[in-house]
Amino acid sequence: GAGVSQSPSNKVTEKGKDVELRCDPISGHTALYWYRQSLGQGLEFLIYFQGNSAPDKSGLPSDRFSAERTGGSVSTLTIQRTQQEDSAVYLCASSPGYGGSAYGYTFGSGTRLTVV
Amino acid sequence: GQQLNQSPQSMFIQEGEDVSMNCTSSSIFNTWLWYKQDPGEGPVLLIALYKAGELTSNGRLTAQFGITRKDSFLNISASIPSDVGIYFCAGLSTSGTYKYIFGTGTRLKVLA
Repeated sequence: GAGVSQSPSNKVTEKGKDVELRCDPISGHTALYWYRQSLGQGLEFLIYFQGNSAPDKSGLPSDRFSAERTGGSVSTLTIQRTQQEDSAVYLCASSPGYGGSAYGYTFGSGTRLTVV
Repeated sequence: GQQLNQSPQSMFIQEGEDVSMNCTSSSIFNTWLWYKQDPGEGPVLLIALYKAGELTSNGRLTAQFGITRKDSFLNISASIPSDVGIYFCAGLSTSGTYKYIFGTGTRLKVLA
């Protein structure tokens, strides 16, 4: 697509439920990233995909968080047994080539997750 | 996770005033980026810097890559109401896998 598309744009879920967040990167972009933005905070790196592989998962906060990417395109971030501290905006970004793209990343509009 | 420190955290300014913000790190970076995030949107790239000492402009925005490679600065001249938003710096980390580390953000509010 023309830009990075994320869905849903907003998600309210009950504590303890599982959620899936979807990211559709720019067509042809091989690198894909997930970041988390908590209220009033900066962007916290979660995971980086190159193709379907994730060479860097160092930012995933706990084993309740997982992500996959299929067909070198769409990625899904899954949070199991959600907690209130998971409430945040989850941003997806993509770039051509590898993670060190000199032109940075193109971001989606994010999914605002609220755990009640 | 690793983050860059930005200051100020937030600022209120009058329309027409100039704005300065900075970003500092304990690590050296070889590429610095500045992004702007409008409410409800993802960050959008404003300026990219690739060389220590480099000064780059984009309209009313001017950014500099610090000589020590541990800091960067962004200036906005003659601010207008649409400059409101959150400004993020990002440094390219080459420790482990290459990825951008983002700053804590400077929230700018412009008073008309």
